[in-house]
Amino acid sequence: DGGITQSPKYLFRKEGQNVTLSCEQNLNHDAMYWYRQDPGQGLRLIYYSQIVNDFQKGDIAEGYSVSREKKESFPLTVTSAQKNPTAFYLCASSTRKTSGTYNEQFFGPGTRLTVL
Amino acid sequence: DAKTTQPPSMDCAEGRAANLPCNHSTISGNEYVYWYRQIHSQGPQYIIHGLKNNETNEMASLIITEDRKSSTLILPHATLRDTAVYYCIVRVAHFNNNDMRFGAGTRLTVKP
Repeated sequence: DGGITQSPKYLFRKEGQNVTLSCEQNLNHDAMYWYRQDPGQGLRLIYYSQIVNDFQKGDIAEGYSVSREKKESFPLTVTSAQKNPTAFYLCASSTRKTSGTYNEQFFGPGTRLTVL
Repeated sequence: DAKTTQPPSMDCAEGRAANLPCNHSTISGNEYVYWYRQIHSQGPQYIIHGLKNNETNEMASLIITEDRKSSTLILPHATLRDTAVYYCIVRVAHFNNNDMRFGAGTRLTVKP
């Protein structure tokens, strides 16, 4: 089955520890994205990547880092510099049209991170 | 990207049509209207999008007013599984900055 997988579904970490969230897609999509969602609110963009070995900051990149070494993988590291890391993290991907623009985004199931 | 305004919540009876409104009065000519929904604790699911014309797919219909300042998502026969938060988003099909700005959305509750 094609799709986007995120693991783990639930993650608990102690304050001050870095943690890496996994996102893998087998849709052959060019672009990948990370969003953060807080309770009762919409999504906010953390980072996005349009091609391998390249990525751009979104609206709330501080305290996060990413890598895009492979087309199908876009891991997100939540560092100790992130002041309030407890949230629901969503990964998405989209494919690029021949016109150069991007189709709609497809989302993974999310990872709920709780920092104790 | 243009901002959108949606009612915070709506109810709908099971089996009836659910009509979810969205205002986007500052939309520009090259901005599309997208709809997503998010069932509790899951990732958002793409529903439909359009530019000027009305659109229909297996999930829903999208009606965009002639002046494009508002739109309505229609779920023709709502079921309990359609209970979710529905997001209306307007965006340009960017070449270099492709992202979706999700607001608070409309929480639709389908009741038996």
